[in-house]
This record gives sequence, structure tokens and C-alpha cells, in this order.
Amino acid sequence: QKEVEQNSGPLSVPEGAIASLNCTYSDRGSQSFFWYRQYSGKSPELIMSIYSNGDKEDGRFTAQLNKASQYVSLLIRDSQPSDSATYLCAGRLSNTGNQFYFGTGTSLTVIP
Amino acid sequence: EAEVAQSPRYKITEKSQAVAFWCDPISGHATLYWYRQILGQGPELLVQFQDESVVDDSQLPKDRFSAERLKGVDSTLKIQPAELGDSAMYLCASSLTGTFTEAFFGQGTRLTVV
Repeated sequence: QKEVEQNSGPLSVPEGAIASLNCTYSDRGSQSFFWYRQYSGKSPELIMSIYSNGDKEDGRFTAQLNKASQYVSLLIRDSQPSDSATYLCAGRLSNTGNQFYFGTGTSLTVIP
Repeated sequence: EAEVAQSPRYKITEKSQAVAFWCDPISGHATLYWYRQILGQGPELLVQFQDESVVDDSQLPKDRFSAERLKGVDSTLKIQPAELGDSAMYLCASSLTGTFTEAFFGQGTRLTVV
């Protein structure tokens, strides 16, 4: 079982809609989670980090963490065509090394 | 703005040849990561350094891959000999030490083995 699981999609939403991206993790002791955006052929770019249960908002992005359900999500409000990319969920393991593991990514397309 | 520097950006090499990638992390970042990303997949951790020490290299194919960070700053990842299946994006990232720290990526090296 992978440390972090994501639905690979693809996910398509119309421009202006809310895109919802989901991720589950297996290491119950993990305490920090991250969302990265990756455009085709480019390297991952950090969007948000979340460490506590609940919601964290940054502009059009909201990250949600539910440690009891081992579930992390990213909501993108007012989706724009420029949001079309692959979104990677990552978590830090709770062991000594705090290794940083990624899901396989969810491909998002925002349709104008 | 501080960035992770990687070189080269692109590399084409013939199978059985040696190839090396270089990474210079953000100043002050003690933790350095090398990832391999195959098209359509998420980044796979190859090796993680804390200063000059290896924290995790469990997924590094040690028969052909090696990594070093001799002075705890910049790092080199080497493949010898390269195989066709090594074609991928090689990503370097760095972070401060600790659980609640964010990692930042360099631009990556796109390797094509022919």
C-alpha cells in the first residue's frame, strides 16, 4: 500500500466552478501535508501546507485535513483555465527521518 | 528569491554511459531530497540527506545509482551505467529540518536514455 493515495482522474470542471481534489494517507502518525501543482514538463510548485485538523484558506485555495479519517483535500474556487495541471498530495512520515512521500497526482482540466 | 538550482536541465545519453546531476539547495536548508518522476506518476523518493548523512536511500538502485553530499551543501546524483528505463525527470528538493517544514523543488533534469 502506498503511503499517499490519490484518484488519478482526470478531473474536468467548467471555468468558475469548484474543483475538489482528494487524498488519503496510511501513516496515522503523519502530521504534515502539502499540495503541489505541476504543469506539464515542469517541476512541482508548492501551493499549500496544512498541519492541523480543519480548513486552511489561501486565496482561491482551501486545504482540508481530517486526521481521524486520514483524509486531505484541496478545493479550488472559481477555477480558471490556468489551474489546469496535475495536483500532487504529499505527506511527511512520522518516523525519525520525516520522509516526504507523494501520491500519483490528479490531473485537472478547467474547461473555458 | 531563494531557489533550488539544478543542472543540467536536459540530458540525452546513450545506454551504458555514465550520467551525473547536480543540485544546490536553498541556503540554510539542511535536508535535501532526490526524486525520480516517470511520466504520469508521482515523484518517487530516491535518497534523502540530512546535512551530509543519508537518512533514507531504500529506493535507490544501488547497483547503478549513487548520491553524495560531501560538505552538506550541494549534492550529486550519478547513474552508471544508464539504462533505457532510467529515462525520467530527476528532481531535487530541499527543506529546513523538521516535521512542519515545506520542501521546494528545483527545475529538474529531464533525462533521456537512447
